[in-house]
Amino acid sequence: DAGVIQSPRHEVTEMGQEVTLRCKPISGHDYLFWYRQTMMRGLELLIYFNNNVPIDDSGMPEDRFSAKMPNASFSTLKIQPSEPRDSAVYFCASTLSPGSYEQYFGPGTRLTVT
Amino acid sequence: GESVGLHLPTLSVQEGDNSIINCAYSNSASDYFIWYKQESGKGPQFIIDIRSNMDKRQGQRVTVLLNKTVKHLSLQIAATQPGDSAVYFCAETYTGNQFYFGTGTSLTVIP
Repeated sequence: DAGVIQSPRHEVTEMGQEVTLRCKPISGHDYLFWYRQTMMRGLELLIYFNNNVPIDDSGMPEDRFSAKMPNASFSTLKIQPSEPRDSAVYFCASTLSPGSYEQYFGPGTRLTVT
Repeated sequence: GESVGLHLPTLSVQEGDNSIINCAYSNSASDYFIWYKQESGKGPQFIIDIRSNMDKRQGQRVTVLLNKTVKHLSLQIAATQPGDSAVYFCAETYTGNQFYFGTGTSLTVIP
């Protein structure tokens, strides 16, 4: 298996632009997580899905952030409009079931908003 | 919110020595803990886990110790190698899905 796949790996955009980050979880995993990592705040959970359904989005910073999972093999995290403070590395992770807590992380997307 | 913190933000050790990375957690209800390793430019990678009904768990060259009385975790790496240089995170959960991560400790192995 190729592991969790994220794209793009790097994104540089101007303030006010829409940004879409993409994730393909490991096949067969039914939980998908979106995290944001910054030096100041570390690794923060934004939202997670179970069987394509959002379970907890309490970590989503504000309405500018939205996430979808239209099917078991694809999820998006969208920021509209983007702001410089959104600059961070965004990780997607997946896991098989509640009984297996090990989360497999993707390589991340480094977002820079100028 | 939850609070998971690390005592030492940076740690330098000589190759071949043992490394100890510490972590404090605040939620006494947490019942499962994981240590992750993150190399530069990569996502966190699972190292070892421990449940709250245990106080010690060993893996290959790594040992995790859990002291629930003082809410403290440690990761011990034996015979540290240059490839162990990375940032190490502890994470806790009591829900099984929502993990709270510490800010990380950067380990540098000196050849």
